Amino acid sequence: QQQVRQSSQSLTVWEGETAILNCSYENSAFDYFPWYQQFPGEGPALLIAIRSVSDKKEDGRFTIFFNKREKNLSLHIKDSQPGDSATYFCAASSNTNTGKLTFGDGTVLTVKP
Amino acid sequence: GPKVLQIPSHQIIDMGQMVTLNCDPVSNHLYFYWYKQILGQQMEFLVNFYNGKVMEKSKLFKDQFSVERPDGSYFTLKIQPTALEDSAVYFCASSFLGVDTLYFGAGTRLSVL
Repeated sequence: QQQVRQSSQSLTVWEGETAILNCSYENSAFDYFPWYQQFPGEGPALLIAIRSVSDKKEDGRFTIFFNKREKNLSLHIKDSQPGDSATYFCAASSNTNTGKLTFGDGTVLTVKP
Repeated sequence: GPKVLQIPSHQIIDMGQMVTLNCDPVSNHLYFYWYKQILGQQMEFLVNFYNGKVMEKSKLFKDQFSVERPDGSYFTLKIQPTALEDSAVYFCASSFLGVDTLYFGAGTRLSVL
């Protein structure tokens, strides 16, 4: 059973729209949820992260909405730009693990100009 | 930002041979990781390493796998002998405290023929 699931393999939006990427998880012990952004030929880079004590985390155009009861979260990218086109990975870990992350399959976001 | 370097970017090897993947982590980081990503699948945790020791390993970390970081040099993943199913992209990561941001390298694509 996959521990972290991303609902879409791919998503296409127009420039200026809000892209919404969804993620759900199984393990109630998970309490840290980073989103990683990966461009072709590069490693994943941390974009934004949230801890389970919060229900929202905002950083510029990027916002995570977190629902602990439903075990899901979403990444909203406001005013999407073509440069945001990348693969986005939802990940999770629990505080008993020293940085071990469980990743989703990733969502390939394409922003059309 | 901080960079994790992985050498080489692509390695082709015959089944049964030994291979060593090299990682140059961020200089003041204390925790080191290897993740494996088979094409089209999610990135999966292999092992984490701290203070000269393996802290945790997954079931993907077979007996043929070993890691070390002799004298603070490269953090290495050795596979001996290699098998066809070891073909994947291997990502190295490092972090300072273990529960905070993981910094990933660009990956080494291993092709076992």
